[in-house]
Amino acid sequence: GDSVTQMEGPVTLSEEAFLTINCTYTATGYPSLFWYVQYPGEGLQLLLKATKADDKGSNKGFEATYRKETTSFHLEKGSVQVSDSAVYFCALRGKTGFQKLVFGTGTRLLVSP
Amino acid sequence: EAQVTQNPRYLITVTGKKLTVTCSQNMNHEYMSWYRQDPGLGLRQIYYSMNVEVTDKGDVPEGYKVSRKEKRNFPLILESPSPNQTSLYFCATIGQAGSQYFGPGTRLLVL
Repeated sequence: GDSVTQMEGPVTLSEEAFLTINCTYTATGYPSLFWYVQYPGEGLQLLLKATKADDKGSNKGFEATYRKETTSFHLEKGSVQVSDSAVYFCALRGKTGFQKLVFGTGTRLLVSP
Repeated sequence: EAQVTQNPRYLITVTGKKLTVTCSQNMNHEYMSWYRQDPGLGLRQIYYSMNVEVTDKGDVPEGYKVSRKEKRNFPLILESPSPNQTSLYFCATIGQAGSQYFGPGTRLLVL
């Protein structure tokens, strides 16, 4: 079945450092891909998405490119802030499963001043 | 404001005592679902509903029930909770564009 693999955390960075969180997927066909962010004590918020190969999703300085050839959707940010500290989830929606997102295990990001 | 609300936000209970977690949305979305979040496992879908009176099992439905009598509400029922149902629960809806909206979560501890 469909699955998502994320790098384990926590990822610890200093403010203004470059961020990469790796995400790869296994799915039949061409799924839609998402990054969600969960701040402490809150629910999940959609950060960005891409629905077809080579699409780039972007929001709040974060970017991720849908790479079909490597089945990846890595999250990047050029300069992180303390306020970016959160848990980040990569997820996919398969073409036959509109009603369900398949999530990775989440990666905790800790940014220090 | 578009939102998904859940109640209660925190709950401590004992094994076998029936409980219900409510979920309500004001976006008139047809699709609703429940997830549980556990460390190292991410989020896993428990049940989903594609419309009123239409529900189906997700990946981890054992020990849970749901109902969808009205479009806006989708309660999660634990008839006889057990400690392995201690978790963080999220209700979510799906809009027409396919984006999911999550509630704030309900943290459940079963003793």
